[in-house]
Amino acid sequence: DAKTTQPPSMDCAEGRAANLPCNHSTISGNEYVYWYRQIHSQGPQYIIHGLKNNETNEMASLIITEDRKSSTLILPHATLRDTAVYYCIVRVLYNFNKFYFGSGTKLNVKP
Amino acid sequence: NAGVTQTPKFQVLKTGQSMTLQCAQDMNHNSMYWYRQDPGMGLRLIYYSASEGTTDKGEVPNGYNVSRLNKREFSLRLESAAPSQTSVYFCASTMGAGNTGELFFGEGSRLTVL
Repeated sequence: DAKTTQPPSMDCAEGRAANLPCNHSTISGNEYVYWYRQIHSQGPQYIIHGLKNNETNEMASLIITEDRKSSTLILPHATLRDTAVYYCIVRVLYNFNKFYFGSGTKLNVKP
Repeated sequence: NAGVTQTPKFQVLKTGQSMTLQCAQDMNHNSMYWYRQDPGMGLRLIYYSASEGTTDKGEVPNGYNVSRLNKREFSLRLESAAPSQTSVYFCASTMGAGNTGELFFGEGSRLTVL
C-alpha cells in the first residue's frame, strides 16, 4: 500500500475553512484515498473517501489532484468540535482490506 | 445498534500476566482488525482477519495472538504481558475485500501493564 505524508499539526480559526493536505505520491491506480478523524482518545471516525473524482458529503469535501499524487480534505466551516487528529489513508481493494494509519495531522480549531 | 463492542474497557495487569481482549460486531462484517495506539502516536495494526477462519499479521504482531471465533467475534490475547504493551487497543470491522465501505471502530480498551 502507498505511504502517505501529512503535516503533524495545523491551526484553523473557528468558522473558517480547514484545508488538510495529504501527499501520496506512490499511489497506484486501484488505491482509494480515505480520511478518518480521531477526537480525543475515541475510536477513529470515517469522514470520506474517493478514487479520482472530487467527493463531498455532509461532513467534508475531498479534492484529489488529477495525477492523484496528493489530496486535500476540506472542512468548510470549522468548529471547535472539529479539533481532532485527521488521518489520510490509501487502500488497495484486493489487499484484504488492510488499513494502515500513519501519524495524522492534529487540527487545532481556535476561537 | 451496538456496532463494535470491546471488553474490558480498562484493565491493569502485572508483568507476565495474561489476558484476552474481546471484540464483537453486529454489522455482519467479514473483516476485523486489532490496532494499538500509544500515547501521542497514530494507530498501528497488530492483526487482522479478512474473513471468518483467517487471520494475518499486521505491523506489530509480536507478543500477541488472535482468534476469529466466528464471524462476529475477534479476540486478542496477550500471553505474557510486558510494560511495552501498555496502550489503548482498538478493534474495528468492515464489510470485506473488494468493498469500499468504511472501517467501524470500537471505543477502545485501555491496558496498563505494571
